[in-house]
Amino acid sequence: AQTVTQSQPEMSVQEAETVTLSCTYDTSESNYYLFWYKQPPSRQMILVIRQEAYKQQNATENRFSVNFQKAAKSFSLKISDSQLGDTAMYFCAFRPETSGSRLTFGEGTQLTVNP
Amino acid sequence: DGGITQSPKYLFRKEGQNVTLSCEQNLNHDAMYWYRQDPGQGLRLIYYSQIVNDFQKGDIAEGYSVSREKKESFPLTVTSAQKNPTAFYLCASQIDRYSGNTIYFGEGSWLTVV
Repeated sequence: AQTVTQSQPEMSVQEAETVTLSCTYDTSESNYYLFWYKQPPSRQMILVIRQEAYKQQNATENRFSVNFQKAAKSFSLKISDSQLGDTAMYFCAFRPETSGSRLTFGEGTQLTVNP
Repeated sequence: DGGITQSPKYLFRKEGQNVTLSCEQNLNHDAMYWYRQDPGQGLRLIYYSQIVNDFQKGDIAEGYSVSREKKESFPLTVTSAQKNPTAFYLCASQIDRYSGNTIYFGEGSWLTVV
């Protein structure tokens, strides 16, 4: 069974600064996908970024980037130039490549961006 | 607009009653999912369906039931057998069963037992 661990229940950052959210996972699979989802106060889950394990290059989406360390089973999210609208719960998620496999979520990190 | 619609947004249930949460999608997605979220916690999978007329139990299926008679609809029934149903419920869909494709979520439904 796969597990996803987010060791930081809460974090805060000043507007315009950079913050990194941690995520580790445990799996015996060799091919898989990793995701970061954002859940703002509205509660809707929004995909932030996606990483394919067979790609060595770290994914980036505008101000969001990841540091994917496959050997260490680590998948951290870096948010640059933090904005007030980034305040949300962030979930790391893992999914094996097997067709029809399940998406496993971590317990989330509540990020607060302060003005 | 294309998307996933969940209704109702808020639902109150009396002890011993069954209630059904609706999930409709017009994205032409094959796969659909139901997740439960408790305060301060991550999402847990209740049921999922990869194709019409087929569905499988997730990690916490006890006390819940689903049907998938139409591609666009995946309703979730919370039965009286579910002892602690108060939670936030999220429906999601994916274009197909390929694991690399993105799962999209609806806006959720709050269920409270009174």
